[in-house]
Amino acid sequence: EVQLVESGGGLVQPGGSLRLSCAASGFTFSSYWMSWVRQAPGKGLECVANINQDGSEQRYVDSVKGRFSISRDNAKNSLYLQMNSLRAEDTAVYFCARRSSGSPDCWGQGTLVTVSS
Amino acid sequence: QSALTQPPSASGSPGQSVTISCTGTSSDVGGYNFVSWYQQHPGKAPKLLIYEVSKRPSGVPDRFSGSKSGNTASLTVSGLQAEDEADYYCSSYAGNNNLVFGGGTKLTVL
Repeated sequence: EVQLVESGGGLVQPGGSLRLSCAASGFTFSSYWMSWVRQAPGKGLECVANINQDGSEQRYVDSVKGRFSISRDNAKNSLYLQMNSLRAEDTAVYFCARRSSGSPDCWGQGTLVTVSS
Repeated sequence: QSALTQPPSASGSPGQSVTISCTGTSSDVGGYNFVSWYQQHPGKAPKLLIYEVSKRPSGVPDRFSGSKSGNTASLTVSGLQAEDEADYYCSSYAGNNNLVFGGGTKLTVL
């Protein structure tokens, strides 16, 4: 069974940093592009970062470029999102998702990030 | 990286059919056959309903169907059931391994 389990969310002050993790199991992690997708309270979905199978390519939405960094450790079947210079508008549930046929096909349960003083 | 356009709401009575549209551009929906649809119940993760415009993952009822014409994709839910009440999102590959979502449609079963 494919499983994606996020962790690392919490309350952080504006300007602070947080590192999210996603533990993958049930599939060959190193064979897939992976994404972080966020959902602000009461809002829609936004794909903020993507990474290719070996970690050599990353893609970011404009609003997080220069602040967020996606990475992976295929030996540990893990995906990460380093978030720096956090802003109130980064408050959201962050989902880890496996990409197949261009779009996410499996999602984790999400981890809540709250940016507030 | 503009979001795809979906109607904010849709509704139908049990047993009826409802269609939700998703409009993009030639750089995303119109340019690739990589449109997906997701169902999201409150407090839950999105669930994949349709991928590659019209394909259903195993376990998804055939009441859910997808199509595309030009820059607009559509999701049709036939034989509406109470449990279909949820938020629905479309997504599309947007080139260069980027991904864009629609703003979401809240489906109400009357």
